[in-house]
Amino acid sequence: GENVEQHPSTLSVQEGDSAVIKCTYSDSASNYFPWYKQELGKGPQLIIDIRSNVGEKKDQRIAVTLNKTAKHFSLHITETQPEDSAVYFCAARTSYDKVIFGPGTSLSVIP
Amino acid sequence: KAGVTQTPRYLIKTRGQQVTLSCSPISGHRSVSWYQQTPGQGLQFLFEYFSETQRNKGNFPGRFSGRQFSNSRSEMNVSTLELGDSALYLCASSLSGNMNTEAFFGQGTRLTVV
Repeated sequence: GENVEQHPSTLSVQEGDSAVIKCTYSDSASNYFPWYKQELGKGPQLIIDIRSNVGEKKDQRIAVTLNKTAKHFSLHITETQPEDSAVYFCAARTSYDKVIFGPGTSLSVIP
Repeated sequence: KAGVTQTPRYLIKTRGQQVTLSCSPISGHRSVSWYQQTPGQGLQFLFEYFSETQRNKGNFPGRFSGRQFSNSRSEMNVSTLELGDSALYLCASSLSGNMNTEAFFGQGTRLTVV
């Protein structure tokens, strides 16, 4: 069935360093890949997304890259700040028009 | 513009009871999806509704059901509650729910089954 893998499951970085989270997906027909940030006690918040006709997208300190051939996509956060600490989920919208989420990465930014 | 509203925020039920959760999507959004979030299983897709029709369903037992009204508001129902149904239930709304549409989540309903 459809599957999204995500690594690492936990990530700890010093404030100001970069953080990278990697995901792979199984449904080759997927063409929309959102990333969500979830803070404690809140619902997931869409932070950036990428469509399959684009290889990279940037929004200030956040960037996402997509390699459709390898079925990989990654989230890059530069100049991390303590408020970036949260759980991050990657997701892929499958050909059956449902969104499958990765298991999440708990990011801690140490001041 | 108001976001996705889920009610109630917290709920405690007893095993064997049933429960109904409500989701009001962003104005103009016609697709509502429901997810169950647990520490062990992560975010799992329950079902998706568009224009009052269920278009997709995840791998959950028939005790989990839902519906959507003509104003796009959606409800999900869980009957014969089990302890394992304790979870955060999230709904997400999107304009049309097709393969390139952003989905926005509500804050969720925290269900505890005792």
